[in-house]
Amino acid sequence: DADVTQTPRNRITKTGKRIMLECSQTKGHDRMYWYRQDPGLGLRLIYYSFDVKDINKGEISDGYSVSRQAQAKFSLSLESAIPNQTALYFCATSDPTEIGNTIYFGEGSWLTVV
Amino acid sequence: QKEVEQDPGPLSVPEGAIVSLNCTYSNSAFQYFMWYRQYSRKGPELLMYTYSSGNKEDGRFTAQVDKSSKYISLFIRDSQPSDSATYLCAMSAGTGGFKTIFGAGTRLFVKA
Repeated sequence: DADVTQTPRNRITKTGKRIMLECSQTKGHDRMYWYRQDPGLGLRLIYYSFDVKDINKGEISDGYSVSRQAQAKFSLSLESAIPNQTALYFCATSDPTEIGNTIYFGEGSWLTVV
Repeated sequence: QKEVEQDPGPLSVPEGAIVSLNCTYSNSAFQYFMWYRQYSRKGPELLMYTYSSGNKEDGRFTAQVDKSSKYISLFIRDSQPSDSATYLCAMSAGTGGFKTIFGAGTRLFVKA
């Protein structure tokens, strides 16, 4: 089983609908992230969390919200989806004490907003 | 100007070729330099990590960092079809993933 699991892996939704992407991890890391990947723009940070009580905005947080339900669970919500939020979304974790600055990514959630 | 610039390719090479992938950056505070490999429909995985300037070799892969030129490279020797993937450079000024800036990624195709 993957260390970082995302659900759903694929979703098509309509403009204006609320959608939630869920993430769970078994690595025991405190730090969790949500990224968005677009062709030509690379990975951009949406939100990050250092622990259950900590939520921080990333580079592109507008139109998104997150919830850290437990150390292992971090969900991303689009309250009212719009077509330019069509992208590949990644949940990730890291351990700041780990040499290599490694970020561990899930397999991604493809979201299409029509 | 983006903090990290990376040619998106695609780059197509024959099996056995030496591949050179590159990134430039503008932030002189970056100290940690990484290369991630991303296969189709998968998440990125850390391939190489280098701290500050210099070279690091791991099997067929060599990472180079030239801080004076703000330029990093990844070389792949004896490239294989299994190396076909998108390669993302990444860098940060400190530890902690939230500070990591990613390049756009270069798509590499290695033809058998």
